[in-house]
Amino acid sequence: NAGVTQTPKFRVLKTGQSMTLLCAQDMNHEYMYWYRQDPGMGLRLIHYSVGEGTTAKGEVPDGYNVSRLKKQNFLLGLESAAPSQTSVYFCASSIQPRTQYFGPGTRLTVL
Amino acid sequence: DQQVKQNSPSLSVQEGRISILNCDYTNSMFDYFLWYKKYPAEGPTFLISISSIKDKNEDGRFTVFLNKSAKHLSLHIVPSQPGDSAVYFCAARAYGGSQGNLIFGKGTKLSVKP
Repeated sequence: NAGVTQTPKFRVLKTGQSMTLLCAQDMNHEYMYWYRQDPGMGLRLIHYSVGEGTTAKGEVPDGYNVSRLKKQNFLLGLESAAPSQTSVYFCASSIQPRTQYFGPGTRLTVL
Repeated sequence: DQQVKQNSPSLSVQEGRISILNCDYTNSMFDYFLWYKKYPAEGPTFLISISSIKDKNEDGRFTVFLNKSAKHLSLHIVPSQPGDSAVYFCAARAYGGSQGNLIFGKGTKLSVKP
């Protein structure tokens, strides 16, 4: 069991570029989440999904889009990256809406 | 408006002693609480949780206490070990909230000195 994996681990973008972060889980979890963590801050929810084909907005959704075409994958897209989106992004999954299990994170820098 | 607060950014403890990490919350609708541990350059790791119908949960060296009237929970680590040095996040889930979404505190950095 790999658990929750995230691709890529690091990325540097220029302002205005786009990219997609991939999250994959092999635990057959229904729920998946995308968070961002900034220095001195806790984790803040960007978007989440309660099952294949569903997505919903979290606390800080602006500038991001998501898709959950397959149960095991949850994609986070940045259409036009901004320096304010420099952050560490964590994906998580859970079998019930309780304990979430996190991936190792993606460190994104937007210049 | 922070709904989950960890007022101590850092805590230093001697190896073998007790570590007590504190967390306060404002929303009385929170029904489930969790603690996560995070090492640098890694994702948060689930540590222990407690339901609002309980006031204590124990797992090995880790015990979480919940005081609903004070809207306060604490994590006790006994005895503390150098490997416990990490950032600890408190998180809460709102009953009937958005599909299990968690609200996190800002974290407390624990340093356990040999």
